[in-house]
Amino acid sequence: EPEVTQTPSHQVTQMGQEVILRCVPISNHLYFYWYRQILGQKVEFLVSFYNNEISEKSEIFDDQFSVERPDGSNFTLKIRSTKLEDSAMYFCASGYWGNTEAFFGQGTRLTVV
Amino acid sequence: KQEVTQIPAALSVPEGENLVLNCSFTDSAIYNLQWFRQDPGKGLTSLLLIQSSQREQTSGRLNASLDKSSGRSTLYIAASQPGDSATYLCAVRERGGSQGNLIFGKGTKLSVKP
Repeated sequence: EPEVTQTPSHQVTQMGQEVILRCVPISNHLYFYWYRQILGQKVEFLVSFYNNEISEKSEIFDDQFSVERPDGSNFTLKIRSTKLEDSAMYFCASGYWGNTEAFFGQGTRLTVV
Repeated sequence: KQEVTQIPAALSVPEGENLVLNCSFTDSAIYNLQWFRQDPGKGLTSLLLIQSSQREQTSGRLNASLDKSSGRSTLYIAASQPGDSATYLCAVRERGGSQGNLIFGKGTKLSVKP
């Protein structure tokens, strides 16, 4: 069964460093997303991406964050100048269309020390 | 602003019981509602998607209902098993504006005791 895959599963980084989280969405899906979940809190929307551009972003997704689809299969989230409060589980998701069922990856646990 | 609430926050039942998890949302203008399962430290597994025009959806021992006008959805789990132990999340997708932006509840942590 097709699935969304994310790498790495766990990333530890020092405060102030840049990290890139990687995702391979389901191959025929057109919409891609990043969400995050801070420990003990709700899953929060960060950004949606369609047709090689951001279609929507939340107020969390400021200039510190960027997304890219560098090739036909990968979808990345870059976080610059990481802060302690960026520590969270980051989920990638994809859907065939914007309002259809969303499928999530297993997540990348980011720990900023 | 849409708010999604799930009650109870935690639930413990003996194996074999039927149970109901509740989800409420403040704005009834939703496109659809999706139920997920999350195992500790893991990703989200989609269980059921209900479109706003539907009243319920079934998959195996799971049945999800939607009452859009009252802002409620329930997830019914029949004959619960220890393997059902997980956190169950509901999320709504709003009409208009956003496409694909899911708004999540905090979840109900279910423990099924053998």
